[in-house]
Amino acid sequence: TQLLEQSPQFLSIQEGENLTVYCNSSSVFSSLQWYRQEPGEGPVLLVTVVTGGEVKKLKRLTFQFGDARKDSSLHITAAQTGDTGLYLCAGQRGGSNYKLTFGKGTLLTVNP
Amino acid sequence: EAEVAQSPRYKITEKSQAVAFWCDPISGHATLYWYRQILGQGPELLVQFQDESVVDDSQLPKDRFSAERLKGVDSTLKIQPAELGDSAMYLCASSFSGANTGELFFGEGSRLTVL
Repeated sequence: TQLLEQSPQFLSIQEGENLTVYCNSSSVFSSLQWYRQEPGEGPVLLVTVVTGGEVKKLKRLTFQFGDARKDSSLHITAAQTGDTGLYLCAGQRGGSNYKLTFGKGTLLTVNP
Repeated sequence: EAEVAQSPRYKITEKSQAVAFWCDPISGHATLYWYRQILGQGPELLVQFQDESVVDDSQLPKDRFSAERLKGVDSTLKIQPAELGDSAMYLCASSFSGANTGELFFGEGSRLTVL
């Protein structure tokens, strides 16, 4: 059983469109992180959310942590081809020695 | 800018051979992780070190995989013998212990192909 379920698994859109990807769990997390990974590279941290209901913005990206700290979403406004990549959410459970559990990711392709 | 260094970037080997990957974390980062990522999936934790001690190796296939971080700095992950199913990206990451959020910094990874 996957601890973190990400949806959709694949998403292909046109440049300029908006999109939302989701990260869901039945477990509570003390913090949740979003990473973007480009082909052949390691994941790069985008944001960390720690407070239930928290919303963080990073230029055209908006991240939200659910009130119960079990889920999160990532919304991209006016997607660009440079947003193409694998978006991974990773959760840290309290008292887990900083162990991060990753979801399988959403592979986003933004077409010109 | 400080980076996590990994080598080799690419490794092709035949099954039953031994392979080794090396990782040098960001200076001052006490926590080091080895993850395995199969194509199209998220990273799976293999082993986590705090300084030179193993904190979590519950998902490490110990019959063929070993990892060490002798001086609490750089680390080596070894596979012997390699099997076809070991083909994957092996990612090393480090974090600064004491950070509440445990933010990880990843290296570029070592891509293993077992023939």
